[in-house]
Amino acid sequence: SQQGEEDPQALSIQEGENATMNCSYKTSINNLQWYRQNSGRGLVHLILIRSNEREKHSGRLRVTLDTSKKSSSLLITASRAADTASYFCATEGTGGFKTIFGAGTRLFVKA
Amino acid sequence: GAVVSQHPSWVICKSGTSVKIECRSLDFQATTMFWYRQFPKQSLMLMATSNEGSKATYEQGVEKDKFLINHASLTLSTLTVTSAHPEDSSFYICSASNRGGTEAFFGQGTRLTVV
Repeated sequence: SQQGEEDPQALSIQEGENATMNCSYKTSINNLQWYRQNSGRGLVHLILIRSNEREKHSGRLRVTLDTSKKSSSLLITASRAADTASYFCATEGTGGFKTIFGAGTRLFVKA
Repeated sequence: GAVVSQHPSWVICKSGTSVKIECRSLDFQATTMFWYRQFPKQSLMLMATSNEGSKATYEQGVEKDKFLINHASLTLSTLTVTSAHPEDSSFYICSASNRGGTEAFFGQGTRLTVV
């Protein structure tokens, strides 16, 4: 499969709680990106982390990257109902320029 | 960030007809564009990679005669779904990157419904 794996597949939390999503991939990468997609809509780019970076922050988002384990995590702190969406990780491999998407995590934040 | 415009945002067509979807980079030259397909509640699956002025490279399992891709200029790529059937109904998204860029920018997507 061209896709990486993400877990959990679905996550339901209360507003104010933190949400953690994980992503694993299979090949060497140049960078890894996280996207959000609201139901039936286009993608919103959240954050990009390069292969030589280990952690990155953007507002309530924190992304980590462990290239030795070929994994990344996305932490959303103090979640809001508006964070309800599907979240995808996507990797750009070193062998080409294709961006390959993981299976995604569906996050539901209850108000 | 750079802007990629995709048109139309949604289209309904009759089975057997062809549909063209356009992907334009508005403020940069896109040397490479990618086309993805997304079925409901699933992830984005890469269909093909197109480089300006050359033939597209299709992923395994994607019929190149059914999904015609043209990247005739540095700002426009088109995907034509030929002889569309209901099973082609899906969300199609393009992305574009510029020369030497390390990030791809995505269009808004096109929802195709074949009836």
